[in-house]
Amino acid sequence: NAGVTQTPKFRILKIGQSMTLQCTQDMNHNYMYWYRQDPGMGLKLIYYSVGAGITDKGEVPNGYNVSRSTTEDFPLRLELAAPSQTSVYFCASSPLEGKQYFGPGTRLTVT
Amino acid sequence: ELKVEQNPLFLSMQEGKNYTIYCNYSTTSDRLYWYRQDPGKSLESLFVLLSNGAVKQEGRLMASLDTKARLSTLHITAAVHDLSATYFCAGGLRGGGSQGNLIFGKGTKLSVKP
Repeated sequence: NAGVTQTPKFRILKIGQSMTLQCTQDMNHNYMYWYRQDPGMGLKLIYYSVGAGITDKGEVPNGYNVSRSTTEDFPLRLELAAPSQTSVYFCASSPLEGKQYFGPGTRLTVT
Repeated sequence: ELKVEQNPLFLSMQEGKNYTIYCNYSTTSDRLYWYRQDPGKSLESLFVLLSNGAVKQEGRLMASLDTKARLSTLHITAAVHDLSATYFCAGGLRGGGSQGNLIFGKGTKLSVKP
């Protein structure tokens, strides 16, 4: 099993550009999450999903959108990138009430 | 609103010593998670604590949860250098769609010196 994979690993965006961060898991987990981690800080939840077709906002959803059309995939869309979105983004998945498995992260810089 | 506070934020230990990291949360939380993060790396889930009095142990790490005191602890026994990392706790809001709405502490950066 590959676990949780994320692409790309690094990206530089100009202000106002858009992009999609990809996340795929092969563990058949119902729960998937997107977090951002700013330097020296803990993680903040952006969006999460409890199953295909179901998504909900986390602590910091503004400026982002998600979709969950399959169990495996949970892409995160950034519209009109802003410098405040410079961060490391982690995708994670988990079974119900179980440990979360994290992807390797995407380091995004918006200039 | 759930707030999660860890202390200490920085901890320098000598190998062989014991120490405890504390995680306090501000309101009712029905689950508590502990994670480890190595510099520049992703997070690794360590423990999931789902009930009052829950205790879980793996190797030199032991986590416990006291929901009445709104406190979780991560106890390190006979520290070794390999335990050097940043440790995060996270609490879940009741009714948050189960595992949704996890609120993270700022992390405890642990350095174990010989």
